[in-house]
Amino acid sequence: DAKTTQPPSMDCAEGRAANLPCNHSTISGNEYVYWYRQIHSQGPQYIIHGLKNNETNEMASLIITEDRKSSTLILPHATLRDTAVYYCIVRVANPQGAQKLVFGQGTRLTINP
Amino acid sequence: EAGVAQSPRYKIIEKRQSVAFWCNPISGHATLYWYQQILGQGPKLLIQFQNNGVVDDSQLPKDRFSAERLKGVDSTLKIQPAKLEDSAVYLCASSLRRQGRVAEAFFGQGTRLTVV
Repeated sequence: DAKTTQPPSMDCAEGRAANLPCNHSTISGNEYVYWYRQIHSQGPQYIIHGLKNNETNEMASLIITEDRKSSTLILPHATLRDTAVYYCIVRVANPQGAQKLVFGQGTRLTINP
Repeated sequence: EAGVAQSPRYKIIEKRQSVAFWCNPISGHATLYWYQQILGQGPKLLIQFQNNGVVDDSQLPKDRFSAERLKGVDSTLKIQPAKLEDSAVYLCASSLRRQGRVAEAFFGQGTRLTVV
């Protein structure tokens, strides 16, 4: 099962920064935090991942607290096309050593004009 | 680069009928996943393949669901017989295998199954 906690929904004004929080208080030292998003009627899309340092790419920034118990995904200038469900995922290993992504309920982000 | 291809896009069947979904992953991706996504919920992993071997099928209802990945490329997921609660979107994803961590997974558009 997923080991993350996210707010069920959030709103943000177009052009503003959207900050999506995620709690993962039981994260292990070698587990990564991944963020995916799912736009309506599409499959999930990878956004970014990190271990303990802050990360930035062309889509977003990921801020991970020093104790790694929580993180925040930042969309710096949200547009209407960023309206989607955002999933925070902690890597889970199965007994055979293979890795799998376990999705929770996610946060439904609505960007308002 | 071509993405993950899935077919059909939509399927409507009656309960107790059989149905099959097909997935063609991104070329070179060793890992293939099938997820089930019920309306309003996050995707749930059904089965994970590494090449043509199963590495995780702990949440696959094996009395009615089966999946195979012949030659480590394309995969099919079958439901026989279908129940009303199987109505969902079935997502296929693939990823490269990276030692020590999960590589980003690329998802297909999914197959929306309605069981009536």
